[in-house]
Amino acid sequence: AQSVTQLDSHVSVSEGTPVLLRCNYSSSYSPSLFWYVQHPNKGLQLLLKYTSAATLVKGINGFEAEFKKSETSFHLTKPSAHMSDAAEYFCVVRGVSYGGSQGNLIFGKGTKLSVKP
Amino acid sequence: EAGVAQSPRYKIIEKRQSVAFWCNPISGHATLYWYQQILGQGPKLLIQFQNNGVVDDSQLPKDRFSAERLKGVDSTLKIQPAKLEDSAVYLCASSPAGRDTDTQYFGPGTRLTVL
Repeated sequence: AQSVTQLDSHVSVSEGTPVLLRCNYSSSYSPSLFWYVQHPNKGLQLLLKYTSAATLVKGINGFEAEFKKSETSFHLTKPSAHMSDAAEYFCVVRGVSYGGSQGNLIFGKGTKLSVKP
Repeated sequence: EAGVAQSPRYKIIEKRQSVAFWCNPISGHATLYWYQQILGQGPKLLIQFQNNGVVDDSQLPKDRFSAERLKGVDSTLKIQPAKLEDSAVYLCASSPAGRDTDTQYFGPGTRLTVL
């Protein structure tokens, strides 16, 4: 079965320093992986997605993630944190497809990112 | 382009009462999803519609939860009777038709508190 594990429930960084949010996945085949962000009182928004093309995926707001099959990881990074990056981040894997439809999204438990001035 | 609309934003009920949530997806999106997000966890899919047909409801507690999407546009999710463990945020999302439906657009959610 497909699953993701977010290794940190809370990450705190200072503004201007790098961000690293860690995610490991489990999949019986080549997975589709995503990162979503959830700002307080706002809907979830797609940051980036990996669907078996380039292993380094660039997303919105300067975020990127690298798919590493040997490590079963899909960590999210950003070179320099901004105050507006404070939010909850979810690593997501697409589940098994059946019945002619794409598999549903399986979310990790989330990592809350705090950014200190 | 208008986003996914949900109402109400907040709802407080007592256990054993019933409650209904409404979702209006982005215009033209064929696929609609309802998720349950319990505090401290990621969203979990409850039900997926393709137009007005159910694609996946394997994680919907059918003894108390029901959902419909009449005319393939907006949708309602109902809980009857509610239990304490149903306290959560209920998220609606939509995506366009076709194979490239990786991007789901989420509404702001309805926060349900069951006392």
